[in-house]
Amino acid sequence: EPEVTQTPSHQVTQMGQEVILRCVPISNHLYFYWYRQILGQKVEFLVSFYNNEISEKSEIFDDQFSVERPDGSNFTLKIRSTKLEDSAMYFCASSEWGTASSYEQYFGPGTRLTVT
Amino acid sequence: GQQLNQSPQSMFIQEGEDVSMNCTSSSIFNTWLWYKQDPGEGPVLLIALYKAGELTSNGRLTAQFGITRKDSFLNISASIPSDVGIYFCAGRSGTYKYIFGTGTRLKVLA
Repeated sequence: EPEVTQTPSHQVTQMGQEVILRCVPISNHLYFYWYRQILGQKVEFLVSFYNNEISEKSEIFDDQFSVERPDGSNFTLKIRSTKLEDSAMYFCASSEWGTASSYEQYFGPGTRLTVT
Repeated sequence: GQQLNQSPQSMFIQEGEDVSMNCTSSSIFNTWLWYKQDPGEGPVLLIALYKAGELTSNGRLTAQFGITRKDSFLNISASIPSDVGIYFCAGRSGTYKYIFGTGTRLKVLA
């Protein structure tokens, strides 16, 4: 069964450094998302991406964050100048577009980001 | 902003028992999704609901889209040890953005 994959599974970085989290969405999906989950808390929406541009972003997704689809398969989240409070699980998700299942979002296994 | 309150926050049940949990909000939603999350893993989609009043099953799981569109319910029948995990509801109002609930942590005692 097709699934969303994410790399790395765990990333440790020092405060102030830049990180890039990578995702490979399900191959026939056209809508992509990033969510984050601080330890023990609920999942929070960061950004949605369609047709090579941001569709919607939350107030969390400020200038520190950016997303990109550098090729036909990868979808990345870049976090510049990381802060301690950026430590969280970051989930990529994807969904179809234009079908009855378009609103079903499938999540990857996540990248645990630890900022020290 | 929009908030989804899930209850109960946690529950301990005996294997074989039925489980009920719900998700409520003061906002109206157009789609409800229910997910299960195991520790250290991503949420796994269980059920999707698209219309008010809709009742949908997936094996031992049954979920309902509340008539008011402000709530949703998930039932698990005849629980088994692998049902352990955190169950999240997620609601969508107008866009592709989902608001997640606070989660219900389920523990099953064999």
